[in-house]
Amino acid sequence: GNSVTQMEGPVTLSEEAFLTINCTYTATGYPSLFWYVQYPGEGLQLLLKATKADDKGSNKGFEATYRKETTSFHLEKGSVQVSDSAVYFCALRPKAAGNKLTFGGGTRVLVKP
Amino acid sequence: GAVVSQHPSWVICKSGTSVKIECRSLDFQATTMFWYRQFPKQSLMLMATSNEGSKATYEQGVEKDKFLINHASLTLSTLTVTSAHPEDSSFYICSTPTGGFSYNEQFFGPGTRLTVL
Repeated sequence: GNSVTQMEGPVTLSEEAFLTINCTYTATGYPSLFWYVQYPGEGLQLLLKATKADDKGSNKGFEATYRKETTSFHLEKGSVQVSDSAVYFCALRPKAAGNKLTFGGGTRVLVKP
Repeated sequence: GAVVSQHPSWVICKSGTSVKIECRSLDFQATTMFWYRQFPKQSLMLMATSNEGSKATYEQGVEKDKFLINHASLTLSTLTVTSAHPEDSSFYICSTPTGGFSYNEQFFGPGTRLTVL
């Protein structure tokens, strides 16, 4: 079946530090991959996505590259801010799944000033 | 972007009672709603898919008689947890894809935390 594994948090960083959140997946075929972010008290929001191998999704300084050979979609940001404190979810959507998403467990990130 | 609201944001109830959670799309028509539940420090688990005007489709292992879903209008879907028990305590989240945006984009409600005593 389909599954997503991401590193457990919480991840605590200082402002301007480099952030990496690992995400690996198991799926049949070539799914679309997503990162969602959930700020305190809000719903999940799409952060970035990639729909095929070697695609790079980017938004708000975050990047993730679809690596088919390692079945990974690691999230990175070069210089985090306090406002990046949130829970980050990696997710996949198989091609034949309509809009159904399979999520990882989420990683809480806390950025301290 | 599109906005999805949930009500209530949190609820505490006694074991054996029923609880209704509402999910509304505020500025667009939602023909499909997904309902998830999330246990602490765990992933979101898809429970069911509701389509306006038709019966919901439940994922394997989800009791349809316990988690009643109604999607009677294009802006409202409800999840009723019937005869709730402490093991039903969880965070319930709804989401909907919007046809006017990217096919891959879903919009999520902020979630409802249910605690059953």
